[in-house]
Amino acid sequence: GENVEQHPSTLSVQEGDSAVIKCTYSDSASNYFPWYKQELGKRPQLIIDIRSNVGEKKDQRIAVTLNKTAKHFSLHITETQPEDSAVYFCAAPTRHSGYSTLTFGKGTMLLVSP
Amino acid sequence: DADVTQTPRNRITKTGKRIMLECSQTKGHDRMYWYRQDPGLGLRLIYYSFDVKDINKGEISDGYSVSRQAQAKFSLSLESAIPNQTALYFCATSDSTGGPGEQYFGPGTRLTVT
Repeated sequence: GENVEQHPSTLSVQEGDSAVIKCTYSDSASNYFPWYKQELGKRPQLIIDIRSNVGEKKDQRIAVTLNKTAKHFSLHITETQPEDSAVYFCAAPTRHSGYSTLTFGKGTMLLVSP
Repeated sequence: DADVTQTPRNRITKTGKRIMLECSQTKGHDRMYWYRQDPGLGLRLIYYSFDVKDINKGEISDGYSVSRQAQAKFSLSLESAIPNQTALYFCATSDSTGGPGEQYFGPGTRLTVT
């Protein structure tokens, strides 16, 4: 099955700085890469995703980049704010016969200090 | 997201007891999942169901069983709870169109086994 590695496990930045979280995957056929945000005590929620027919996708202050050759994808958050503090999870598909589930990375705890 | 609900939200039980966690959804999705979250280990898939007659084991199914009572209901059982099953459990749903896509998580059930 798919193996997803996520780094770093913790990341501390000052408000206004940029933050980058990187994930690698093992299955070269994977074609869908979501990022989830989990605030303290809350459920994970999708914040952005990318499919393998594009190399970058942006949504306001967040962006995801994909390098299929190197099998890695990254989450970029610019102009970080305290409300960006959360745990972020990447994921990649794990193929079964005819359908896919998601394999999640172990998560990155982002702390944005005012 | 009130469309995916879990009961109970918190449960403390003793070793050896049988316990059932319930998940209901009003999103009309075919696919339902049970995950376990432990600090530093991310979200690990326990079982998944792609329709009412379909049940599949995930990454960590030992010690767990599930029942898909209807499209909207997916229950997770611990037949004989043990302390290392203490964790935060999430139910999630997704629709079946276009391959892997967004998963919608319930609020979680915090289970403690003493």
